[in-house]
Amino acid sequence: KQEVTQIPAALSVPEGENLVLNCSFTDSAIYNLQWFRQDPGKGLTSLLLIQSSQREQTSGRLNASLDKSSGRSTLYIAASQPGDSATYLCAAGGFSGSARQLTFGSGTQLTVLP
Amino acid sequence: DAGVIQSPRHEVTEMGQEVTLRCKPISGHDYLFWYRQTMMRGLELLIYFNNNVPIDDSGMPEDRFSAKMPNASFSTLKIQPSEPRDSAVYFCASSPNTEAFFGQGTRLTVV
Repeated sequence: KQEVTQIPAALSVPEGENLVLNCSFTDSAIYNLQWFRQDPGKGLTSLLLIQSSQREQTSGRLNASLDKSSGRSTLYIAASQPGDSATYLCAAGGFSGSARQLTFGSGTQLTVLP
Repeated sequence: DAGVIQSPRHEVTEMGQEVTLRCKPISGHDYLFWYRQTMMRGLELLIYFNNNVPIDDSGMPEDRFSAKMPNASFSTLKIQPSEPRDSAVYFCASSPNTEAFFGQGTRLTVV
């Protein structure tokens, strides 16, 4: 059974810092890795999707990498801003038998201080 | 496209009552997922459909939970009878292939 772990659970940084959020998964047989952002009381917003054949994806100040062999993904946020404050979730897409599974980590709660 | 639309956004009900949550997926998406989010357990997959057919319902916690997808543009998740431990945020997500798009969720409180 796939297990996804995110470290740290919470992170507080001053505005302008570059930061890295970590995600690890136990089963490397995934078809993709997706990063989401969740604001309090809101739904999940997809940030980046990395297919299993890819190593990284970039969108603006965000860069996500994937290393399937080691079971790790990182989300890099450059020049952080207070508006980046949210919970960041990673999810590993795989199969359990023939059924698709999207297994979530418990998230990293990020606070960017002005 | 307006994205995945869920209703109601908030639901407060008494224990024992029937609760129906609704979801309209993004047009053209073949997959529809129902998730539940709690502080203790995080996001859990309850059930998912492919082309309106339930594929995996192993995450449905009990027989009190049921889900239907009568057509490509509508799905329901029903809890009957509801219990206080069902209180959570319920998310619907749809996907055209491997990327998932989530609705805003329904916050359910059972008192």
